[in-house]
Amino acid sequence: EVQLVQSGAEVKKPGESLKISCKGSGYSFTSYWIGWVRQMPGKGLEWMGIIYPGDSDTRYSPSFQGQVTISADKSISTAYLQWSSLKASDTAMYYCAITERAYSSGWDYWGQGTLVTVSS
Amino acid sequence: QSALTQPASVSGSPGQSITISCTGTSSDVGGYNYVSWYQQHPGKAPKLMIYEVSNRPSGVPDRFSGSKSGNTASLTISGLQAEDEADYYCSSYTSSSTLVVFGGGTKLTVL
Repeated sequence: EVQLVQSGAEVKKPGESLKISCKGSGYSFTSYWIGWVRQMPGKGLEWMGIIYPGDSDTRYSPSFQGQVTISADKSISTAYLQWSSLKASDTAMYYCAITERAYSSGWDYWGQGTLVTVSS
Repeated sequence: QSALTQPASVSGSPGQSITISCTGTSSDVGGYNYVSWYQQHPGKAPKLMIYEVSNRPSGVPDRFSGSKSGNTASLTISGLQAEDEADYYCSSYTSSSTLVVFGGGTKLTVL
């Protein structure tokens, strides 16, 4: 069974750093694109970026380029989304997802989400 | 403002059919057969309902169907059921540097 298990909710202060995780199981971790999606409170879905763990090919939406870093550790089948300096506007639910096909095709499996709250 | 335009809300009675539209441009919806649709219930992660315009993943009821004409894609749900009440998002590949874009979402209410 394919599963994506994300790390737990985080409460941080502005300016702090953060790294959240997404652990995959039940499939070949290095063969599927992993994407990250933001959902701000009461708002819609926003595509942030993707990584192909097989070769670490990483691509970002221009809206998030330079604001976050996407990475993956093949040895433990885990992808990461990190911030070096959080802002209040980073408060949102963050989802990871994978696709069995090209990243353009549609995201088949989703993690349960990680709620990030940034408040002073 | 989202790259793809969806109606904010649609509604229908049990058993009826509804259609949700998703309008983009020739750089996204109109240019590629890479439109997908997601269902999201409150407090839950999105679920893929349609990929590549009209394909249903395993386990998705055949009451859900997708199509595309020009720059507009559509999701049709026939035989509406109470559990279909949710938010629905379309998504498309785009030739811009963004790569993937979402619609703003449509709230489906089953009356």
